[in-house]
Amino acid sequence: EAGVAQSPRYKIIEKRQSVAFWCNPISGHATLYWYQQILGQGPKLLIQFQNNGVVDDSQLPKDRFSAERLKGVDSTLKIQPAKLEDSAVYLCASSLIPGTANTGELFFGEGSRLTVL
Amino acid sequence: AQSVAQPEDQVNVAEGNPLTVKCTYSVSGNPYLFWYVQYPNRGLQFLLKYITGDNLVKGSYGFEAEFNKSQTSFHLKKPSALVSDSALYFCAVRDITGGGNKLTFGTGTQLKVEL
Repeated sequence: EAGVAQSPRYKIIEKRQSVAFWCNPISGHATLYWYQQILGQGPKLLIQFQNNGVVDDSQLPKDRFSAERLKGVDSTLKIQPAKLEDSAVYLCASSLIPGTANTGELFFGEGSRLTVL
Repeated sequence: AQSVAQPEDQVNVAEGNPLTVKCTYSVSGNPYLFWYVQYPNRGLQFLLKYITGDNLVKGSYGFEAEFNKSQTSFHLKKPSALVSDSALYFCAVRDITGGGNKLTFGTGTQLKVEL
């Protein structure tokens, strides 16, 4: 079974530039997540989609971050303009829709490491 | 809000010795608890989970975790550590408030297994 695919794996940009990350979840997983992992910290949820609707974006800095999941499959996360503090690994994860048959396990991609200079 | 705490930033253990990585939780309702491992420059890999039932949960790579309701703990254990177990370990709790299904992670514990 193919896992969660993310690209690019690494990106270096200067502050105030823009960047976009792409994620393709596991086939059949209706729920998709973007997490931000800053060095030395645990992953923090930025946004959660169920199909192509947003379930939770309470911790997404909406003045500079945006995400979309058109057609309920692939997703892109964009940062514009980037700040130094956005340097982090951006992890995409997917899962089945929560329910009695789904115990909440998330499957993660390899991550996209962003360095803002 | 649901949360987990990992009190140790780093745990050092000699190869062949037992290891324990600590996690405590704070939840309303029944806890759904998870352990994930992260190797350098990789994503998070699922190790094991506690949903209900036996307090001792067995997972991948010989790891197990003990759920203790009275102490609100979910410590990760392994009887005999390997150098290859050296990695960053995260405890997480499922949060279904607001109709979501997110995992809230601890700050992580770096495990170093030495020869």
